[in-house]
Amino acid sequence: EVQLVESGGGLVQPGGSLRLSCAVSGFTFSDHYMDWVRQAPGKGLEWVGRIRNKANSYTTEYAASVKGRFTISRDDSKNSLYLQMNSLKTEDTAVYYCARGGSSYVTDYWGQGVLVTVSS
Amino acid sequence: DIQMTQSPSSLSASVGDRVTITCRASQGISNFLAWFQQKPGKAPKSLIYAASRLQSGVPSKFSGSGSGTDFTLTISSLQPEDFATYYCQQYNAYPFTFGPGTKVDIK
Repeated sequence: EVQLVESGGGLVQPGGSLRLSCAVSGFTFSDHYMDWVRQAPGKGLEWVGRIRNKANSYTTEYAASVKGRFTISRDDSKNSLYLQMNSLKTEDTAVYYCARGGSSYVTDYWGQGVLVTVSS
Repeated sequence: DIQMTQSPSSLSASVGDRVTITCRASQGISNFLAWFQQKPGKAPKSLIYAASRLQSGVPSKFSGSGSGTDFTLTISSLQPEDFATYYCQQYNAYPFTFGPGTKVDIK
């Protein structure tokens, strides 16, 4: 069974940093692209970014709203995906989901999400 | 960036109804279009990719069509478990973008 479990969320002050993790199981993590998607309270879905697999040099893509502040990384030996968030703003408050890129590189499985609140 | 719009933004329907949701891209995206279902307080669920291909385990009452800029999601016979918000997403070009969502509730 494919499982993705996020952790590391919480309350952080504006300008602060936070690192989210996503532990995966039930599939060969190293083969897949992985995404982060977020959802502000009461709002729609916003794609945050993607990291490709080793075969594609672990290259990354980001939304303009987070580029230069957020960094996506992965550790295939630990079946884990990460989102390092720096210089956080109140508008980064959201539930953050990790998601798997499937065989056609489109999202097919989602984690349950983790809440990040940026507030003073 | 490619802008995605959806119509309607919400709709009320009855169990057994046929429901169609439209998604439009601001520029051509071939068939690189996905649909997701989200229930309140839950993670999204992937329904359709490549505009018309069902994800594994998704019932055949869901269908998708379209290419280029105009796409539709159809639920052939609405059931109680289908009341949710539906989002389209283009994955033709980075940054990927979602539509604003269509909320389907009970009439």
